[in-house]
Amino acid sequence: DAEITQSPRHKITETGRQVTLACHQTWNHNNMFWYRQDLGHGLRLIHYSYGVQDTNKGEVSDGYSVSRSNTEDLPLTLESAASSQTSVYFCASSDAGAAKNIQYFGAGTRLSVL
Amino acid sequence: QKEVEQNSGPLSVPEGAIASLNCTYSDRGSQSFFWYRQYSGKSPELIMSIYSNGDKEDGRFTAQLNKASQYVSLLIRDSQPSDSATYLCAVNKSGGSNYKLTFGKGTLLTVNP
Repeated sequence: DAEITQSPRHKITETGRQVTLACHQTWNHNNMFWYRQDLGHGLRLIHYSYGVQDTNKGEVSDGYSVSRSNTEDLPLTLESAASSQTSVYFCASSDAGAAKNIQYFGAGTRLSVL
Repeated sequence: QKEVEQNSGPLSVPEGAIASLNCTYSDRGSQSFFWYRQYSGKSPELIMSIYSNGDKEDGRFTAQLNKASQYVSLLIRDSQPSDSATYLCAVNKSGGSNYKLTFGKGTLLTVNP
């Protein structure tokens, strides 16, 4: 079955370290998205990609970067982790065609920055 | 005005009752509307999508869309304790090649046995 997987599921890091969260999907979807979810804020879009070599900033992109070298993967990098980036991170993907914008989510990564 | 607004709740209903969840959105050109369910500590999962005015039923769930009034609702009939979760409303803004979704903050539903 097609799926979207995130790793690691839990991560503890220190302020100032670079951290990369992985997202891999086997749906063959063109569109991939990274969100963070915090109490009181809901899901907020960090970065998104509509295809290989395409990346775009979302509403909370400062301090984060992504790259899209193939269809399956969209890793999210925190350049220099800050305590404000402690959050739950979700990756999602969607089909640009007939599925009409339905996004499917990975299980999430819980990140703690100490 | 927030782009997608939901009553944060908590909404508490007895088992077997109808739960009614509401969502309003600001972009009149929005074209796709979704309800996701999120259990505590889990990821959002799609339960309903709706694209045109009116009602769409799937089992115990009914989504209702009124584009003129810019609201979308979700009815859960015969509510079960297993329906206790946070329900997220999501909206795709004006179409073309825009595939992004904007999410509301969610409504926490508790179904009491």
